[in-house]
Amino acid sequence: AQKITQTQPGMFVQEKEAVTLDCTYDTSDQSYGLFWYKQPSSGEMIFLIYQGSYDEQNATEGRYSLNFQKARKSANLVISASQLGDSAMYFCAMREGPEYGNKLVFGAGTILRVKS
Amino acid sequence: NAGVMQNPRHLVRRRGQEARLRCSPMKGHSHVYWYRQLPEEGLKFMVYLQKENIIDESGMPKERFSAEFPKEGPSILRIQQVVRGDSAAYFCASSPRSDTQYFGPGTRLTVL
Repeated sequence: AQKITQTQPGMFVQEKEAVTLDCTYDTSDQSYGLFWYKQPSSGEMIFLIYQGSYDEQNATEGRYSLNFQKARKSANLVISASQLGDSAMYFCAMREGPEYGNKLVFGAGTILRVKS
Repeated sequence: NAGVMQNPRHLVRRRGQEARLRCSPMKGHSHVYWYRQLPEEGLKFMVYLQKENIIDESGMPKERFSAEFPKEGPSILRIQQVVRGDSAAYFCASSPRSDTQYFGPGTRLTVL
């Protein structure tokens, strides 16, 4: 079974609007972390936001927020007020507990295109 | 505070040659991870190292691939006798502990 599922291969959003990128995960661990990374066309991986499984509040970082629904095992990324520079590939990733090591497991990614 | 450094950024090798990819973690980070990204795919974990120790190599191919993180100097991912299927982007990430991993810019390996 896929540990991280990103069901949207591609998304379009109008500049200045908000967009939600979906991510569901599968784990039997109680302690885990969820991450979102951005990969622009230049190829580097940029850390955006982190949510711990025990964090009660949804994480926010500037225009990024993570809609964490633990019971549904979803960790959607919300980008508010989209900008042209947000056009990129976005990856959701999970780190499970110590017995799984500290490796990140990535989803297949969602390509976001912001239209002017 | 410099970020994670990787070199070279682009590497071209002919089939059968060796590829050496280097990663210098961020200052103060003692945990290093290597990931591979095949074209049109997400990143796949390869190996996790701390200084002088391989902690988890469950994602490494059994043959031709090796990694080290010596006491002094960068971490090295070595691919011997490269084949066309090794063409990919190889990313290194570092963290100070077992938390957020910060990625380097990647090395794009092309095997001719």
